[in-house]
Amino acid sequence: QKEVEQNSGPLSVPEGAIASLNCTYSDRGSQSFFWYRQYSGKSPELIMSIYSNGDKEDGRFTAQLNKASQYVSLLIRDSQPSDSATYLCAVSLNDMRFGAGTRLTVKP
Amino acid sequence: DAMVIQNPRYQVTQFGKPVTLSCSQTLNHNVMYWYQQKSSQAPKLLFHYYDKDFNNEADTPDNFQSRRPNTSFCFLDIRSPGLGDAAMYLCATSTQGDYNEQFFGPGTRLTVL
Repeated sequence: QKEVEQNSGPLSVPEGAIASLNCTYSDRGSQSFFWYRQYSGKSPELIMSIYSNGDKEDGRFTAQLNKASQYVSLLIRDSQPSDSATYLCAVSLNDMRFGAGTRLTVKP
Repeated sequence: DAMVIQNPRYQVTQFGKPVTLSCSQTLNHNVMYWYQQKSSQAPKLLFHYYDKDFNNEADTPDNFQSRRPNTSFCFLDIRSPGLGDAAMYLCATSTQGDYNEQFFGPGTRLTVL
């Protein structure tokens, strides 16, 4: 079982829709959870971090964490073509472990 | 602006010819990381430093070495690059603590001919 699992996609949504990205992790002791956005050929950029159960909102982004289910998600509201990228889920206990990412395409 | 800088952005080397990649940071973070990322894969941690304390991942090949001469700089040395070492190499930094937010440099794309 992979430590951090994501659906590789591609996930395609129309402009203005809500994009929902999901991630599960195997280490129940994980403490910190992150979403990174990575454009093709570029490095990962941190967009959200979440540390406790529940929702955390930042602009059009909402991160959701459920430690009991070992599940973290990212919602992108009012999706824009510029949101088209690969989104990496990362989970940290002692070291950071990344998922392989979900490729999101937002169609105009 | 505080940032993580990597040089060069693109590196072409020949099979077996040593190469050194560099990373510098102005964030004054005490933890620095080197990751290898191949196409459509997760970044893979090679090693990291807590200050000068070196931590090697168990599956990092001996072909990969690292140096951190001071807080700001960190180097990745690939002693004898093989075709399988072609990848994006990412440097990241963080403060040591519970939250471990990591900030990445722009990466170095390594091509091995």
